[in-house]
Amino acid sequence: GAVVSQHPSRVICKSGTSVKIECRSLDFQATTMFWYRQFPKKSLMLMATSNEGSKATYEQGVEKDKFLINHASLTLSTLTVTSAHPEDSSFYICSARHPPSSGRPQETQYFGPGTRLLVL
Amino acid sequence: AQKVTQAQTEISVVEKEDVTLDCVYETRDTTYYLFWYKQPPSGELVFLIRRNSFDEQNEISGRYSWNFQKSTSSFNFTITASQVVDSAVYFCALSGLTGGYQKVTFGTGTKLQVIP
Repeated sequence: GAVVSQHPSRVICKSGTSVKIECRSLDFQATTMFWYRQFPKKSLMLMATSNEGSKATYEQGVEKDKFLINHASLTLSTLTVTSAHPEDSSFYICSARHPPSSGRPQETQYFGPGTRLLVL
Repeated sequence: AQKVTQAQTEISVVEKEDVTLDCVYETRDTTYYLFWYKQPPSGELVFLIRRNSFDEQNEISGRYSWNFQKSTSSFNFTITASQVVDSAVYFCALSGLTGGYQKVTFGTGTKLQVIP
């Protein structure tokens, strides 16, 4: 299988604080992970591509200083929402895929269960 | 550029009715993959199917079936004899070879409500 977990599943924080969300691939190594954001009743929008051992690639319009991504190991990527504000409240979903060296299909991303962030 | 259009925002059906969710896509890639995901109220994305651009065979899995037609760039999803547990938001998605399948483009989703 290819299981991806996220922690926490739900977080409520005060405006101005920073929140860290973890994304882990549990039974496979992932050199590439992806972070998506979903507003209520909206589609998933790719925020950034997280590459193990290098800087993340951010999509146009996503503030890299606001959304810090660290991919320090082959099974863990973290997204830190810095100085969170109410407009950052959203559902954040990560995904991971097998590395090219695995010989496994590259087109399939395995999604985590999501993290619901509410900034008061 | 990739684009996925799900024109139906919300659909309501009575239990046991059949329902078809439409998906139309655009891509310049000749090699690409199409996906359907189910998102229940809990939020988790549940993978339903993956289909590559070279395989136009329709697929049936239990009450679910998919109709892929390259000529009309459509990948429609039919639920037969719908059940209340089918109530969810369904997303169609596309990933193309250009860029190494890194970018998955999602449609805006269709919210299906099955009324008992």
